[in-house]
Amino acid sequence: KAGVTQTPRYLIKTRGQQVTLSCSPISGHRSVSWYQQTPGQGLQFLFEYFSETQRNKGNFPGRFSGRQFSNSRSEMNVSTLELGDSALYLCASSLGPRQLYNSPLHFGNGTRLTVT
Amino acid sequence: AQSVTQPDIHITVSEGASLELRCNYSYGATPYLFWYVQSPGQGLQLLLKYFSGDTLVQGIKGFEAEFKRSQSSFNLRKPSVHWSDAAEYFCAVGAQDAGKSTFGDGTTLTVKP
Repeated sequence: KAGVTQTPRYLIKTRGQQVTLSCSPISGHRSVSWYQQTPGQGLQFLFEYFSETQRNKGNFPGRFSGRQFSNSRSEMNVSTLELGDSALYLCASSLGPRQLYNSPLHFGNGTRLTVT
Repeated sequence: AQSVTQPDIHITVSEGASLELRCNYSYGATPYLFWYVQSPGQGLQLLLKYFSGDTLVQGIKGFEAEFKRSQSSFNLRKPSVHWSDAAEYFCAVGAQDAGKSTFGDGTTLTVKP
């Protein structure tokens, strides 16, 4: 079974631009969550989607948004990029919303975003 | 709200030596506990999990962890470390009322030859 796939692996953007990251979950997994990882803040929860609906949201500004498609694939978008948005963005999938806290998360290898 | 503390930011051990990584959690009810490992440039991989039952759980790659309710701890151990174990290790607690897992800040393990 294929794992969680994130594209692209690396991105370089300039301040003020916007960016879209993509995540394909493990087949059969309907929940997708996103995390931001930085050396200073560690792993920070961004949001979680299930059945095309955002079910949980972390403490991030509205510039960070996401969506999920009917095939469970998910995208996250960051608008008006700031230098502080440079990070590794990780996507994780799990079976369903009730499993987000009591089941292991399956992570992709992440997208490394650099904002210059 | 639940929280996780990993007191050691960085640990260095010699290859073949034993390892213990500390994890303390804060949560009012019975927690779901996880340890993940992250190699450079990779995502996180589950090492082991605790839901209930036997407080000593076995994981992959020879790791084990012990749940101690009285100490609110879930420390990760390995009897003999291999150079390939060098990575960052994350403890996480899953809380039903939050509907998600909360991660600690991680412990970076360096293995000396």
